[in-house]
Amino acid sequence: GAGVSQSPSNKVTEKGKDVELRCDPISGHTALYWYRQSLGQGLEFLIYFQGNSAPDKSGLPSDRFSAERTGGSVSTLTIQRTQQEDSAVYLCASSLVGGGASETQYFGPGTRLLVL
Amino acid sequence: DQQVKQNSPSLSVQEGRISILNCDYTNSMFDYFLWYKKYPAEGPTFLISISSIKDKNEDGRFTVFLNKSAKHLSLHIVPSQPGDSAVYFCAASAPNTGNQFYFGTGTSLTVIP
Repeated sequence: GAGVSQSPSNKVTEKGKDVELRCDPISGHTALYWYRQSLGQGLEFLIYFQGNSAPDKSGLPSDRFSAERTGGSVSTLTIQRTQQEDSAVYLCASSLVGGGASETQYFGPGTRLLVL
Repeated sequence: DQQVKQNSPSLSVQEGRISILNCDYTNSMFDYFLWYKKYPAEGPTFLISISSIKDKNEDGRFTVFLNKSAKHLSLHIVPSQPGDSAVYFCAASAPNTGNQFYFGTGTSLTVIP
């Protein structure tokens, strides 16, 4: 079966524009996570979905960031009024059940966002 | 506030020798630790994990050691192979952080043939 896929793979945008990043998790995986990795930084947790609901949004850096998940599958991460500091690789991961720290997360290849 | 730290951004090792990657953490509530491996232009892939009830977990050439008193874990790769060249991230989670993993900044390993 296919792994986690993300689109676009690369995105260049101008400051102030909105962007949407898409994640297709592994089929049947209930849990979905968004992370970002800025240059020289570790992976930073953004948000976690269990099904279509997001019990943990604690990592979203500002109200310009939002995410949704529909049909228990595809998720989109939206960044409004992008800023240059939003430039990073945005990674999506999924796991089978969620709710347990010991569950392996499978990562997508990431979307490289550059805000000019 | 970096709760998981990998203080060596890079490491070079000769093929066949042992690679030791280190990770330190500050949160004493962390009870589950993982190592991920990342090739360029790919997402991280799970490598090995350890829970705080153990101090060692071995899987083939990969062994993770956990020293809870020192809040330190390490990944040993022996023997190192050129295909092991990648960025290695350690990650940790605590019971009260739900599904939130805290990642280090990564160590880039180069295995020289």
